[in-house]
Amino acid sequence: DADVTQTPRNRITKTGKRIMLECSQTKGHDRMYWYRQDPGLGLRLIYYSFDVKDINKGEISDGYSVSRQAQAKFSLSLESAIPNQTALYFCATSAAGEQFFGPGTRLTVL
Amino acid sequence: RKEVEQDPGPFNVPEGATVAFNCTYSNSASQSFFWYRQDCRKEPKLLMSVYSSGNEDGRFTAQLNRASQYISLLIRDSKLSDSATYLCVVIFFNQAGTALIFGKGTTLSVSS
Repeated sequence: DADVTQTPRNRITKTGKRIMLECSQTKGHDRMYWYRQDPGLGLRLIYYSFDVKDINKGEISDGYSVSRQAQAKFSLSLESAIPNQTALYFCATSAAGEQFFGPGTRLTVL
Repeated sequence: RKEVEQDPGPFNVPEGATVAFNCTYSNSASQSFFWYRQDCRKEPKLLMSVYSSGNEDGRFTAQLNRASQYISLLIRDSKLSDSATYLCVVIFFNQAGTALIFGKGTTLSVSS
């Protein structure tokens, strides 16, 4: 079984809809991250959390919110999706250095 | 100057070639450095950490040059399976906390 899982893997939605992307990990890591990846722009950090009570904004947090429900779960929400949030979203975990990524969620906002 | 910069490529090389990528960073207080590999439509995976003394793993060698603020990745005897995008990652600490910055990646295509 994969150590870091993301659901859904693919999602198509409409402008204005609320979307939640889920991430779960079995690695026992305290640190979890959400990134988005766009062609030509690379991976950009949206939010990160170093433990259940810790939430930090990353480079591009506007339009997103997160919830760290437990050590193993970190969800990303788009309260009102817009087309420029169409991207590939990755969740990652780490103990200290190396990051372990989930398989990604491809989100399309029409 | 952007925080982390990589030549996007693509680098097109024949099998057996030696190829090198550089990644420059702007924050002199950067603490940790890594190279990740990402295959098309897949998640990034750690290729190797970069240590101050340099480190080697088989055909791959990573170097850190703090004075000039860059890291490098050298691939010897390229294989078809090396075709991928290589991302450098720089971690540093600032007033806001920990900053983890990915480069945009360098694409390598190895052909027979």
